[in-house]
Amino acid sequence: DTAVSQTPKYLVTQMGNDKSIKCEQNLGHDTMYWYKQDSKKFLKIMFSYNNKELIINETVPNRFSPKSPDKAHLNLHINSLELGDSAVYFCASSLGTGGSETQYFGPGTRLLVL
Amino acid sequence: GQNIDQPTEMTATEGAIVQINCTYQTSGFNGLFWYQQHAGEAPTFLSYNVLDGLEEKGRFSSFLSRSKGYSYLLLKELQMKDSASYLCAVKDSNYQLIWGAGTKLIIKP
Repeated sequence: DTAVSQTPKYLVTQMGNDKSIKCEQNLGHDTMYWYKQDSKKFLKIMFSYNNKELIINETVPNRFSPKSPDKAHLNLHINSLELGDSAVYFCASSLGTGGSETQYFGPGTRLLVL
Repeated sequence: GQNIDQPTEMTATEGAIVQINCTYQTSGFNGLFWYQQHAGEAPTFLSYNVLDGLEEKGRFSSFLSRSKGYSYLLLKELQMKDSASYLCAVKDSNYQLIWGAGTKLIIKP
């Protein structure tokens, strides 16, 4: 009965490879997010979707491409992985985008690029 | 630019009280959140303030002063399991969450 789930939990890969991370929420939320947390623990928003529509698209290399096949899923595809992409990637969801809407986080995907 | 400031690290003793401060400068304000993040885990929601004053929730309380751009999280009767990072985040005028870098709280016996 996990609320927000991500796969895989760990991802170790070589530079130049392409990889995908999947996220699913069973909370019935309309809004989903991708965050990157670097070694300094700073959470940085990457993308946000509301009802399958992209609403936040921060300055992220275009090697990163999100896809939301439906409201419950938000996947992240990364092309041509670089060393600097190593980080923890968190998916989150919220009921909506309003002020009091709390974001609930998945367990994170620890990406290590060698 | 938008900015959230918190102390990088704090140390406290088991059973004591600790106050973690957060100051913010954002374009607009639509609420302030506190999250707890244990090492290697996801952030989990602790509290939300949108009006000035104190919100109490068990051993944790959160205070907000919008005129001063200031909030604090107060943790009472500290337990070893409270060792974690505490993240302050503000929703700006676009309802986007702006995050602080977090305060690592170390609890000593």
